[in-house]
Amino acid sequence: GDSVTQMEGPVTLSEEAFLTINCTYTATGYPSLFWYVQYPGEGLQLLLKATKADDKGSNKGFEATYRKETTSFHLEKGSVQVSDSAVYFCALSDPRGWGSARQLTFGSGTQLTVLP
Amino acid sequence: ETGVTQSPTHLIKTRGQQVTLRCSSQSGHNTVSWYQQALGQGPQFIFQYYREEENGRGNFPPRFSGLQFPNYSSELNVNALELDDSALYLCASSLGGGLAGSYNEQFFGPGTRLTVL
Repeated sequence: GDSVTQMEGPVTLSEEAFLTINCTYTATGYPSLFWYVQYPGEGLQLLLKATKADDKGSNKGFEATYRKETTSFHLEKGSVQVSDSAVYFCALSDPRGWGSARQLTFGSGTQLTVLP
Repeated sequence: ETGVTQSPTHLIKTRGQQVTLRCSSQSGHNTVSWYQQALGQGPQFIFQYYREEENGRGNFPPRFSGLQFPNYSSELNVNALELDDSALYLCASSLGGGLAGSYNEQFFGPGTRLTVL
């Protein structure tokens, strides 16, 4: 079945450092890809998404490009802030079929801590 | 516009008991999905309800069951609780019924933290 593999955490960076969190996936079709963020005590929030190969999702300075040839969707940010400290989840959704929103398959999450 | 809400926030049960968790979907949404998030893990899909019918199920035993009501709120019921059921249970609502190939964003609630002793 479908699966998502994220780089092991936790990741600790200094403010203004460059961030990369690796994500690779296995899927039989052509999934949509997502990054979700979970702040302490809160639910998951969609950070960005990409629905087809070579699409780039971006939001709040974060970017990720859908790479079909390497089955990857790595998250990057050029300059992290203390407020970016959270857990980041890579996820996919198989768009085949008709009907309601597709289920999400998540990676195990990467804890990011940004120090001032 | 009210977001997704869940109740209770925290719950402690003992092994063998039954539990009911509740979710109110975001206004205008007709689809609710439930996920289980064990400590340090990503959420795992339990099942989804679309217009009061179960519309997809993950790899969870039948003692995990659910309901969706006419107002699209939902319940997750777990019978015969086991220690491994201790987790954060997340509810997500969305507007379903889209065309094949489309994706309707799922909006997550804050979750219910269940502890089984």
